[in-house]
Amino acid sequence: ETGVTQTPRHLVMGMTNKKSLKCEQHLGHNAMYWYKQSAKKPLELMFVYSLEERVENNSVPSRFSPECPNSSHLFLHLHTLQPEDSALYLCASSQDRWGGEAFFGQGTRLTVV
Amino acid sequence: GEDVEQSLFLSVREGDSSVINCTYTDSSSTYLYWYKQEPGAGLQLLTYIFSNMDMKQDQRLTVLLNKKDKHLSLRIADTQTGDSAIYFCAERDTGGGADGLTFGKGTHLIIQP
Repeated sequence: ETGVTQTPRHLVMGMTNKKSLKCEQHLGHNAMYWYKQSAKKPLELMFVYSLEERVENNSVPSRFSPECPNSSHLFLHLHTLQPEDSALYLCASSQDRWGGEAFFGQGTRLTVV
Repeated sequence: GEDVEQSLFLSVREGDSSVINCTYTDSSSTYLYWYKQEPGAGLQLLTYIFSNMDMKQDQRLTVLLNKKDKHLSLRIADTQTGDSAIYFCAERDTGGGADGLTFGKGTHLIIQP
């Protein structure tokens, strides 16, 4: 248990569906992140939020839309995804955006059919 | 840009020490991390080291940092079957560079009986 919880753990969605991934942390951290883990590729940073403000978007397609309503929750809204978006999506949090321990959730295994 | 390199596989006998190596390119002040990922699971933070340190030890784990060569290693003493996993090296630039962690592709540690 890392203190970062992601739901759902598994998700299968069609290309025309709209779904959301949820991440929650009660560690008192001020920075939260979304990463994508695909087969045979390094983990890719998608979004960074610090104090609920988005500070980085690494050229992620607009079919991925993040939302950070408060410092404890982070969402990733998905719509009109492609099969190549199938991957493990990992949420992480850290005390701040500058360093120290960064803890990851268990991930959501997404399959787009 | 930042780059983190690791070999993809390491095979060791049970009871031996495992040494997983990593090189990075960012010369800014940084944190360096080791994460463990078991099949179907998220990333578990094993340990981290700040770049002004040479070594950090925590039970069976020893991290060595050669800042001059930008080389990081993780030594696991008395390797057990439960250590079988993928180990990711990651680095964070605290010098005002990109937020989030930059990961290597991971080293798959295989334990032979």
